[in-house]
Amino acid sequence: DTAVSQTPKYLVTQMGNDKSIKCEQNLGHDTMYWYKQDSKKFLKIMFSYNNKELIINETVPNRFSPKSPDKAHLNLHINSLELGDSAVYFCASSQGLGVGTEAFFGQGTRLTVV
Amino acid sequence: EDQVTQSPEALRLQEGESSSLNCSYTVSGLRGLFWYRQDPGKGPEFLFTLYSAGEEKEKERLKATLTKKESFLHITAPKPEDSATYLCAVKAGQAGTALIFGKGTTLSVSS
Repeated sequence: DTAVSQTPKYLVTQMGNDKSIKCEQNLGHDTMYWYKQDSKKFLKIMFSYNNKELIINETVPNRFSPKSPDKAHLNLHINSLELGDSAVYFCASSQGLGVGTEAFFGQGTRLTVV
Repeated sequence: EDQVTQSPEALRLQEGESSSLNCSYTVSGLRGLFWYRQDPGKGPEFLFTLYSAGEEKEKERLKATLTKKESFLHITAPKPEDSATYLCAVKAGQAGTALIFGKGTTLSVSS
């Protein structure tokens, strides 16, 4: 049983298209995240939701919009895709916002914009 | 600005050859330091959390330690299955902040 699952695993699309990545966690956690890992393998936070409320919104273009329909789901919608959006996107979840709450990651979605 | 730096970027070891990975951090108000392992094509997998200087944690061949400025991940007698990228991350400042990651150390262990 996968704890944090993302779909799709691979996504190839053309510039200018709109696409969504879905994330679901079955750990009962109340906090979910989106991270971006660039070509140099550097992981950087994009968004964080706690109990469906946006907590962290790093400097991310407005073309990226997260949506949390419930505590177990956090989807990422991207409008007008650009070449520079190509990366691996990871969803993660944790229990609460406290210090010791380690995050559990999904397997990632490799987005390639051509 | 909070920063996490890992060294070396890449490390090649022979099976059984022990070594250490370094993670140095510059943050205001460290609340926790985390080590993750990432295999190719997969998401990071949690290994350890350290909270205060002097703390140590062990898991199989891995031992993580923390000082006021850096953390070490010691690998004793590594095996080929220990090959992976090891990521260090910190939480700093107020509660509710997300993990700030270093760029990782890619470890290759050959038999």
